[in-house]
Amino acid sequence: DTGVSQDPRHKITKRGQNVTFRCDPISEHNRLYWYRQTLGQGPEFLTYFQNEAQLEKSRLLSDRFSAERPKGSFSTLEIQRTEQGDSAMYLCASSLGSTNTEAFFGQGTRLTVV
Amino acid sequence: AQSVTQLDSHVSVSEGTPVLLRCNYSSSYSPSLFWYVQHPNKGLQLLLKYTSAATLVKGINGFEAEFKKSETSFHLTKPSAHMSDAAEYFCVVSVAWGNQFYFGTGTSLTVIP
Repeated sequence: DTGVSQDPRHKITKRGQNVTFRCDPISEHNRLYWYRQTLGQGPEFLTYFQNEAQLEKSRLLSDRFSAERPKGSFSTLEIQRTEQGDSAMYLCASSLGSTNTEAFFGQGTRLTVV
Repeated sequence: AQSVTQLDSHVSVSEGTPVLLRCNYSSSYSPSLFWYVQHPNKGLQLLLKYTSAATLVKGINGFEAEFKKSETSFHLTKPSAHMSDAAEYFCVVSVAWGNQFYFGTGTSLTVIP
């Protein structure tokens, strides 16, 4: 499978615990994005990497959230001290570094905070 | 700033009848526009994209969309709905250098047999 893969697909955690999600983009893509999608809403932008550099962060990305993309390949999104409001689908996408190109999305990680 | 408004949260059509999903956009720059489809428990799949070439864009599964700059619209159409078209559809705008993709709130399409 040469698409964007995310792991795990589902995560249930207790409030206050830390969680980490992984995203493996399409190998030749140098841009990587994280989005969050709650029920009945469209995906909302969280952050964006160009290679290993994190170039933009949304105001949605509170201090409890951190994302990394070491070596410009896979990326991780960590949420510390989870809250019930963090329950959502977390989507990763990647794209080529050229203009007018679309993003390719993974199937997402569904987080449930209990 | 970029934004997208999907004018209908739910659309219901009979199988074999035309589909129209409406989208208006706002962009400070020449936009790139996309339609994505999301089936239950599946990832987002690109249907089609507009990137300043032809204003009528053809996509997969018989879908097409027309870019109308004067109306800031990018409506999605299909001549004849199929049961497998039932899904959530998202209109998306980006600027040419693609640092963010801005999603609408989605339109849920129901196809009645």
